[in-house]
Amino acid sequence: EAQVTQNPRYLITVTGKKLTVTCSQNMNHEYMSWYRQDPGLGLRQIYYSMNVEVTDKGDVPEGYKVSRKEKRNFPLILESPSPNQTSLYFCASSFAGRGNTEAFFGQGTRLTVV
Amino acid sequence: DQQVKQNSPSLSVQEGRISILNCDYTNSMFDYFLWYKKYPAEGPTFLISISSIKDKNEDGRFTVFLNKSAKHLSLHIVPSQPGDSAVYFCAASHSGTYKYIFGTGTRLKVLA
Repeated sequence: EAQVTQNPRYLITVTGKKLTVTCSQNMNHEYMSWYRQDPGLGLRQIYYSMNVEVTDKGDVPEGYKVSRKEKRNFPLILESPSPNQTSLYFCASSFAGRGNTEAFFGQGTRLTVV
Repeated sequence: DQQVKQNSPSLSVQEGRISILNCDYTNSMFDYFLWYKKYPAEGPTFLISISSIKDKNEDGRFTVFLNKSAKHLSLHIVPSQPGDSAVYFCAASHSGTYKYIFGTGTRLKVLA
């Protein structure tokens, strides 16, 4: 089954404790991205990757890192989480990201930073 | 600066009637628009899209209309069904970039 898998689904952590949210897709998609969803703000793009070893900032990249060492994986790293990063996070992938293809989303990771 | 706006946070419609969800954008460089549907505890799923070279795209009960001069698009669902109750996001992109801009979403409730 074609899917985007995120782990964990739920995470509560403390301020400053490094964490990684994993994302994996099995569709051989070139393009992957991370979003956060906050009330009243919709989905905002954090980082995206056009292919292996190629990443770029989205609209809200501060406090986040990503890496794309393999085509199927695109982990989101919070080196020193803060409470304002409490949010619902989605990973997405698509065959080609140049603005004209639909994206497949993971089920989301609800992160709480206390 | 919200480049993609969905000004109605919520909408209630009777089953069998038409649902119309609206979306406005400010960036005239956008040339591709998508609608996603999101159920609670799930990720968004793609619904329908439209390129700026068209003004209408239809897929079953779902039709998206694009008015480039007004920088406005709308999603029509006819007839609406209770299973359509979800949050709907519109998104816009410029085909020369890899960035997608989403609206804030409209929660649709279809009443049986």
